[in-house]
Amino acid sequence: KQEVTQIPAALSVPEGENLVLNCSFTDSAIYNLQWFRQDPGKGLTSLLLIQSSQREQTSGRLNASLDKSSGRSTLYIAASQPGDSATYLCAPYSGYALNFGKGTSLLVTP
Amino acid sequence: SAVISQKPSRDICQRGTSLTIQCQVDSQVTMMFWYRQQPGQSLTLIATANQGSEATYESGFVIDKFPISRPNLTFSTLTVSNMSPEDSSIYLCSVEIVRVGGRTYEQYFGPGTRLTVT
Repeated sequence: KQEVTQIPAALSVPEGENLVLNCSFTDSAIYNLQWFRQDPGKGLTSLLLIQSSQREQTSGRLNASLDKSSGRSTLYIAASQPGDSATYLCAPYSGYALNFGKGTSLLVTP
Repeated sequence: SAVISQKPSRDICQRGTSLTIQCQVDSQVTMMFWYRQQPGQSLTLIATANQGSEATYESGFVIDKFPISRPNLTFSTLTVSNMSPEDSSIYLCSVEIVRVGGRTYEQYFGPGTRLTVT
């Protein structure tokens, strides 16, 4: 069974900082990996999808990398803003359904 | 991509009653999923709902408690039956979109239904 771990569990940074969120997973036989954002009490918004053959994917201030062989992915957020405050979830897909970690709760203070 | 709506967005229910949650997607999809997110926890898959077949339930979830319908390729319902306070959660539906080439599977989520059982 795919186990997903996200570190740190929570993070508080001042506005403008660059930050890195870490995700590790136990089964490297994945098709792709998605990063999601979840605002309190809300659904999930897909941020980035990395295919298993890719090393990284970029969207605006977000950059996600994937090292499939070692079972790791990172989400890099540049020049953080208060509007980035949310929980970030990574979810590798192994051919049946997404597997979720507990997420990183991010607070960006003005 | 896919745009997904859920009804209701939230509800407060009494124990022993049932609630049916609706999920509507703006395009035809084969795979739909129902997840539960208990307070402070991550998402747990309840079942996979494919049109034309019975839903497939994950360990710990049974059809009598969480009956699912999938009448067509754009709609599904999840019923939470005989509710207890332990069923208080956010319930989310999602759909899987297979990208061109058939090797990339992307999921999109609805806004969730926040259920409180008193």
